[in-house]
Amino acid sequence: DARVTQTPRHKVTEMGQEVTMRCQPILGHNTVFWYRQTMMQGLELLAYFRNRAPLDDSGMPKDRFSAEMPDATLATLKIQPSEPRDSAVYFCASGFSYEQYFGPGTRLTVT
Amino acid sequence: AQSVTQLDSQVPVFEEAPVELRCNYSSSVSVYLFWYVQYPNQGLQLLLKYLSGSTLVKGINGFEAEFNKSQTSFHLRKPSVHISDTAEYFCAVNPGNTPLVFGKGTRLSVIA
Repeated sequence: DARVTQTPRHKVTEMGQEVTMRCQPILGHNTVFWYRQTMMQGLELLAYFRNRAPLDDSGMPKDRFSAEMPDATLATLKIQPSEPRDSAVYFCASGFSYEQYFGPGTRLTVT
Repeated sequence: AQSVTQLDSQVPVFEEAPVELRCNYSSSVSVYLFWYVQYPNQGLQLLLKYLSGSTLVKGINGFEAEFNKSQTSFHLRKPSVHISDTAEYFCAVNPGNTPLVFGKGTRLSVIA
């Protein structure tokens, strides 16, 4: 049963520290998405890639967030420096343009 | 631009009662439609999808949804809910070749 995996599942860090979240998409999927979920804002699309090329990252704060896909089996989302307002659950999803499968999420707490 | 409206933010229902979670969308083009479920502390799981064909779509866990093009709706139903159905449900639309557009979610609470 193929699944999207994300590491770490939980991360607590202090303001100003760098945070890296990793995602392994399902093999064969050509599109990878990064979402952020908070109580206030709900589910927000941060960025997505197709065939490893970034297509849209307009949902990300550009000054501190970056997303990359160094190869087909790994997507990363980096926050540097982190701030308390970045506390949220970050989801990776993979799939095709018309269908997405979500990972379990990384719960980030920035103190 | 496409948008999705989930008309109820919270729906409480007694165990074994039927439930309907409402979803309306706006789009100027044909769309694909989805329902996802999110259990506490988990990711979103695909419940069912409408891509084409029959307007009545059956999904996992006994859920079904009906696509109504004239009403631009895609309501989710289950004839008899269980405690284990307590979760957040998200309706989503995809007009093709772009990311899904999600509604804000409906929290279903099943009461024993």
